[in-house]
Amino acid sequence: SQQGEEDPQALSIQEGENATMNCSYKTSINNLQWYRQNSGRGLVHLILIRSNEREKHSGRLRVTLDTSKKSSSLLITASRAADTASYFCATGGYQKVTFGTGTKLQVIP
Amino acid sequence: DGGITQSPKYLFRKEGQNVTLSCEQNLNHDAMYWYRQDPGQGLRLIYYSQIVNDFQKGDIAEGYSVSREKKESFPLTVTSAQKNPTAFYLCASSRASDTGELFFGEGSRLTVL
Repeated sequence: SQQGEEDPQALSIQEGENATMNCSYKTSINNLQWYRQNSGRGLVHLILIRSNEREKHSGRLRVTLDTSKKSSSLLITASRAADTASYFCATGGYQKVTFGTGTKLQVIP
Repeated sequence: DGGITQSPKYLFRKEGQNVTLSCEQNLNHDAMYWYRQDPGQGLRLIYYSQIVNDFQKGDIAEGYSVSREKKESFPLTVTSAQKNPTAFYLCASSRASDTGELFFGEGSRLTVL
């Protein structure tokens, strides 16, 4: 079962622009994670935000969490061609992490 | 360097054959996981194991089997009972913590001919 749903499914932007992708989930959470997947590769962990946090930054990444709306957003600022990848949100804990369907981001040089 | 190694990267199988995908980690993680990914979709959990000699079914365990005889190793067998086995398979591991941050291998792509 998919806990998260990302929106949009696909996003195409010019290099230097900001990219925003959203994640909605169904049940209460302790934390939410974002992962990146380059084509044909494994996933790489980007950032984790706990349920008692509203915003978190890591380099060019900014994640927000609204537990009242059961939603999160990932903002990538000043995008680069190397940011082209699929991005997934994930919820759950040690025993079971459930992934959303992903947003496919294309950054055009 | 510490990490997760999956092999083979590409595998072709005839219908009716069982195949085993290897997953080895040297991160000293307690938990290991197998996910399946179909084109344009998210990941679905097949099996997970939190400790040696113990494992639990995930959301789509039918047609798959696993073993966890060593902490470092969590092989996945795709049996002939799996009706649609062509997919990208990802192995992951995590520490015994509440966050569930996963570390992934590079994946194995299985194609049934």
